[in-house]
Amino acid sequence: QVQLVQSGAEVKKPGASVKVSCKASGYTFISYGISWVRQAPGQGLEWMGWISAYNGNTNYAQKLQGRVTMTTDTITSTAYMELRSLRSDDTAVYYCARDDGSGSYRFDPWGQGTLVSVSS
Amino acid sequence: EIVLTQSPGTLSLSPGERATLSCRASQSVSSTYLAWYQQRPGQAPRLLIYGASSRATGIPDRFSGSGSGTDFTLTISRLEPEDFAVYYCQQYGSSPLTFGGGTKVEIK
Repeated sequence: QVQLVQSGAEVKKPGASVKVSCKASGYTFISYGISWVRQAPGQGLEWMGWISAYNGNTNYAQKLQGRVTMTTDTITSTAYMELRSLRSDDTAVYYCARDDGSGSYRFDPWGQGTLVSVSS
Repeated sequence: EIVLTQSPGTLSLSPGERATLSCRASQSVSSTYLAWYQQRPGQAPRLLIYGASSRATGIPDRFSGSGSGTDFTLTISRLEPEDFAVYYCQQYGSSPLTFGGGTKVEIK
């Protein structure tokens, strides 16, 4: 079955960087894009950006431009999200999610989530 | 940026009752690009409805979506115990993609 499995929880200090992985299985990786969505504690969902697994094209949310980089490794069918210059308000659960393969950004399925805690 | 406003914030209902959730957009959204997700506590969101009214694979037919333009609705015809959760609408027709703030459906 189609599955996205994310890396484990991270604890970081302000100013540091974090890199979260999302390993895909059960489908042809390069035929779909991956988005990253985060959820601060007790809050709603915030889209961070998207990457094409086919050619690496990206589309980042403007508020994160310059701090976020999304990449893929087609050999291992893994997507990565790196966030730099971490602040306390970056504390959140980070999800990866697959699009529908036709350029439509509806998300199915989602990874299980990775908690990133930023604290001094 | 398209802002999605969901109402009510919390809906208190009993199992077997009908739930009606609203999602209003700050500007017109193509029906093709409106989705609904369910999120249970401690879990990732799950796609329920896409294209405003199409059920995702494996979603029971008690879930239905409708609407167009700026007003969309998710209806759960008869609440089952597993349906008590938070529901989010999402527009994916223009960047940035945006989500509504969510409606929590709780047991009365």
